[in-house]
Amino acid sequence: DVKVTQSSRYLVKRTGEKVFLECVQDMDHENMFWYRQDPGLGLRLIYFSYDVKMKEKGDIPEGYSVSREKKERFSLILESASTNQTSMYLCASSPHDRGEKLFFGSGTQLSVL
Amino acid sequence: AQSVAQPEDQVNVAEGNPLTVKCTYSVSGNPYLFWYVQYPNRGLQFLLKYITGDNLVKGSYGFEAEFNKSQTSFHLKKPSALVSDSALYFCAVRDSIGNTPLVFGKGTRLSVIA
Repeated sequence: DVKVTQSSRYLVKRTGEKVFLECVQDMDHENMFWYRQDPGLGLRLIYFSYDVKMKEKGDIPEGYSVSREKKERFSLILESASTNQTSMYLCASSPHDRGEKLFFGSGTQLSVL
Repeated sequence: AQSVAQPEDQVNVAEGNPLTVKCTYSVSGNPYLFWYVQYPNRGLQFLLKYITGDNLVKGSYGFEAEFNKSQTSFHLKKPSALVSDSALYFCAVRDSIGNTPLVFGKGTRLSVIA
């Protein structure tokens, strides 16, 4: 079965901390994505990557960076966590074909105190 | 630019009744349309998609969706709702032109009442 694994289900961090959210997929997919989900706002795209070492900004990249050193792993980095980054973070992957569906991880609920 | 709208934040329906969750979209080229469902404390699960072909698309768990080009809509439907269908539903669209990622609607919470 296809799998997208996010390293933590729940995470609590302090304001100003550097936070790493890890995502690994086992499907050899070219594309990987990071979304955040907030009530009433739906899913908003933070960053995405269509290939190893490649990254593109999504709709809300401010305060975030990403790393994709290997095809199967896509990391989201909060350089200095702030309370307004408290959210559910969802990682997804897909094959390169634009008609293909996204496969999602279970999500990481991040609380920044 | 591509966009998608789900005009209803919440839909309530009695068990056994038909349900509809609405979605409209805007793209420059042809749309690639998707529906996802999210159960509590879970990631998103794929339900169905429309790429080309028959306007009526059948998906998982008895759901179907009808693509209507003139109305730029892709409403999700089910003939007989179950309590277990209660969840958050997301519509998403991607333009056939360009290489932009999938854009999601804000979601519609479906409550099926026994």
